[in-house]
Amino acid sequence: GNSVTQMEGPVTLSEEAFLTINCTYTATGYPSLFWYVQYPGEGLQLLLKATKADDKGSNKGFEATYRKETTSFHLEKGSVQVSDSAVYFCALGSFSGGGADGLTFGKGTHLIIQP
Amino acid sequence: ETGVTQTPRHLVMGMTNKKSLKCEQHLGHNAMYWYKQSAKKPLELMFVYNFKEQTENNSVPSRFSPECPNSSHLFLHLHTLQPEDSALYLCASTRTGLNEQFFGPGTRLTVL
Repeated sequence: GNSVTQMEGPVTLSEEAFLTINCTYTATGYPSLFWYVQYPGEGLQLLLKATKADDKGSNKGFEATYRKETTSFHLEKGSVQVSDSAVYFCALGSFSGGGADGLTFGKGTHLIIQP
Repeated sequence: ETGVTQTPRHLVMGMTNKKSLKCEQHLGHNAMYWYKQSAKKPLELMFVYNFKEQTENNSVPSRFSPECPNSSHLFLHLHTLQPEDSALYLCASTRTGLNEQFFGPGTRLTVL
């Protein structure tokens, strides 16, 4: 079956530091990969996505590249801000054949940015 | 209202109570989902509905009963829950061909 493994936090960084959150996956076929972010008291928001190998998703300074050879989708940001403090979830899903399969999530990484 | 809305946002219930969670999407999507988010665990997919038909029940106990009267509304009926059912329940939606899901803010459920 499908599974997602991501580094567990909390991850604590200083403002303007470089961020990497690792994510690896196991899946059959060719899934799409996602990073979602959850701020306190809110639901999940899509941060970025990649739908095929070597695609790079990017949004709000965050980037992740779909690496099929290493089955990874690591999240990076060059200079984090206090407002980036949140929980980040790596996920995969299959949307082929017109189906509506659910997503498989990692456990989430709590990111804390200190001023 | 836009996006995916969920009511109530917070719910406290006893083990013998019956309550319902409501989800509504205003995005014209055809598929809707219930997920359970517990501390220290990955989000767990509970149910999937596509064009009002249930397409997946992820081995969820029968004390959770979903209902999808149309593509815009999804309910989760709760009865005789256990304290370990306390969690954040998230609703999501998507449409065929759209390669992502949109989430609501969740209902924080506490079972006493």
